[in-house]
Amino acid sequence: GEDVEQSLFLSVREGDSSVINCTYTDSSSTYLYWYKQEPGAGLQLLTYIFSNMDMKQDQRLTVLLNKKDKHLSLRIADTQTGDSAIYFCAESGATNKLIFGTGTLLAVQP
Amino acid sequence: DAGITQSPRHKVTETGTPVTLRCHQTENHRYMYWYRQDPGHGLRLIHYSYGVKDTDKGEVSDGYSVSRSKTEDFLLTLESATSSQTSVYFCAISGGNTGELFFGEGSRLTVL
Repeated sequence: GEDVEQSLFLSVREGDSSVINCTYTDSSSTYLYWYKQEPGAGLQLLTYIFSNMDMKQDQRLTVLLNKKDKHLSLRIADTQTGDSAIYFCAESGATNKLIFGTGTLLAVQP
Repeated sequence: DAGITQSPRHKVTETGTPVTLRCHQTENHRYMYWYRQDPGHGLRLIHYSYGVKDTDKGEVSDGYSVSRSKTEDFLLTLESATSSQTSVYFCAISGGNTGELFFGEGSRLTVL
């Protein structure tokens, strides 16, 4: 079945790069997504990548996709305290339903 | 921001009582979803709708029912709430060409 896995916690120092990793199982996913959730709020789409791409860059964000290994990563350059949040990856799967990972809590130390 | 409103935003209830959460959208999107968020589980899909009166189950649908009598409203009902249904519930709509979801602010439900 469909499953998306992430590590639960990542701690970095302000100014360093953060890399959040995700593995997924459904090779038919057309898009893969990264969402950000700040405390007490809903999820907001950060970025997405089409399955025929292997990299996408958007300002401080870089998404890498390894389809062979079904591995997705999100790199945040020059991490700031405002980047502290929970980050979810999600796959589109074969239907109109998104399957989410467990979320990675990013803690940025000043 | 996508026009999605959830109500109530917070609710405390007792075991065995019925509860209805409402999701209202102003975007006229066809697909609407209810997820629950729990620590260690991420977001899990409860039910979704692909049109008026068209709904289907997600991975954690037991104990929940939904209704969609008009495009803008999607209701989630717990017929008899249990403590295991204490959670944060998110409504989402599907929009855009890339299938991304837009989420409401969430409804925090506590069942005592």
